Amino acid sequence: TQLLEQSPQFLSIQEGENLTVYCNSSSVFSSLQWYRQEPGEGPVLLVTVVTGGEVKKLKRLTFQFGDARKDSSLHITAAQPGDTGLYLCAGVHFNTDKLIFGTGTRLQVFP
Amino acid sequence: NAGVTQTPKFRVLKTGQSMTLLCAQDMNHEYMYWYRQDPGMGLRLIHYSVGEGTTAKGEVPDGYNVSRLKKQNFLLGLESAAPSQTSVYFCASSYSAVGYEQYFGPGTRLTVT
Repeated sequence: TQLLEQSPQFLSIQEGENLTVYCNSSSVFSSLQWYRQEPGEGPVLLVTVVTGGEVKKLKRLTFQFGDARKDSSLHITAAQPGDTGLYLCAGVHFNTDKLIFGTGTRLQVFP
Repeated sequence: NAGVTQTPKFRVLKTGQSMTLLCAQDMNHEYMYWYRQDPGMGLRLIHYSVGEGTTAKGEVPDGYNVSRLKKQNFLLGLESAAPSQTSVYFCASSYSAVGYEQYFGPGTRLTVT
């Protein structure tokens, strides 16, 4: 059973478009991280959110933690080819204290 | 600072063969992890270590063993490889407990035929 489901699984868009990636669960998380992974490399941390309702911005990327701490979203404004990669959410499960990775969203941005 | 390094980068094994994957970190991190990554399943934790000389099972430990004899190194062993172990393996380390940023190596692509 996958506790953290990401949608969409794949996303292919043109440069300049906006997009949102979702990370959903029925479980509560103490904190949630977003990573980006480029081909042939390991994931790299983008952001950590810890408070329900928290919003963090990283240039054109906006991350939100759901009020109930069961879900999160990543919004990219005016996507660029450099945003191409696999986006992974990862949450610290509130009860077990274990870090669980989501299923991943593969983003391709065409020039 | 090399960060987290993994060797080898690629390996092909025949069913039943054994091998060891080596992970090294130069950040003096206490925690180290081994994950496998399969399409559509994200990263799944195999084993982890909270300090030198310690190891613990993760989500999918069967068929794997680990050792952490030195703080900077974390070894993952496959005693008798199976085709189901074909995957990309990532090592990671973190300064402290769950929730801290994990630093990942570049991965090892393993194929078992």
